[in-house]
Amino acid sequence: GAVVSQHPSWVICKSGTSVKIECRSLDFQATTMFWYRQFPKQSLMLMATSNEGSKATYEQGVEKDKFLINHASLTLSTLTVTSAHPEDSSFYICSASPSGGANSPLHFGNGTRLTVT
Amino acid sequence: DQQVKQNSPSLSVQEGRISILNCDYTNSMFDYFLWYKKYPAEGPTFLISISSIKDKNEDGRFTVFLNKSAKHLSLHIVPSQPGDSAVYFCAASGGQNFVFGPGTRLSVLP
Repeated sequence: GAVVSQHPSWVICKSGTSVKIECRSLDFQATTMFWYRQFPKQSLMLMATSNEGSKATYEQGVEKDKFLINHASLTLSTLTVTSAHPEDSSFYICSASPSGGANSPLHFGNGTRLTVT
Repeated sequence: DQQVKQNSPSLSVQEGRISILNCDYTNSMFDYFLWYKKYPAEGPTFLISISSIKDKNEDGRFTVFLNKSAKHLSLHIVPSQPGDSAVYFCAASGGQNFVFGPGTRLSVLP
């Protein structure tokens, strides 16, 4: 149980274009989902907390106008990287927990490798 | 300021031996701790967790120990297998927010 699916697994886009990444909880409802970013050989950095039916909460230093998050249903959150630039190239991972994360593990999607050329 | 630290970026262990991965934290409000395993180009996979009311939790080959007074936890893998080679992240939580350590790359040598 507690499967999180992320799509696409990899994407290459041109500088200036936008890319949408989907995160779905397949066998549970998730009022909260989390978006992380991982740079090579570094840890997972929380970008934002996605809340179903309300605005996402962004971490300090993350541009909310650049990384648009939509959590329109209890099983789907999307991250759109707008006007992508090469420095946005990274590994993006979403996660969710059946109980909202309190004293229970987060389950992660398989990540999306974004390359901006 | 790193709230969760894994001071060993890498560790090599012989197959069949014990692997011990260490993690230290600074925030005394953390009350739930987890270990994740991550292969390249994949999302982290949950391994084992422990609540602050316990000092040990065991699941098969994996055991997590928590020393609250020292703000230290460790993951023991015994016996280690080549398939255990991966990056291991320690995570700590106080409520809904999770903080991850920088990871330790474990290599299990055949």
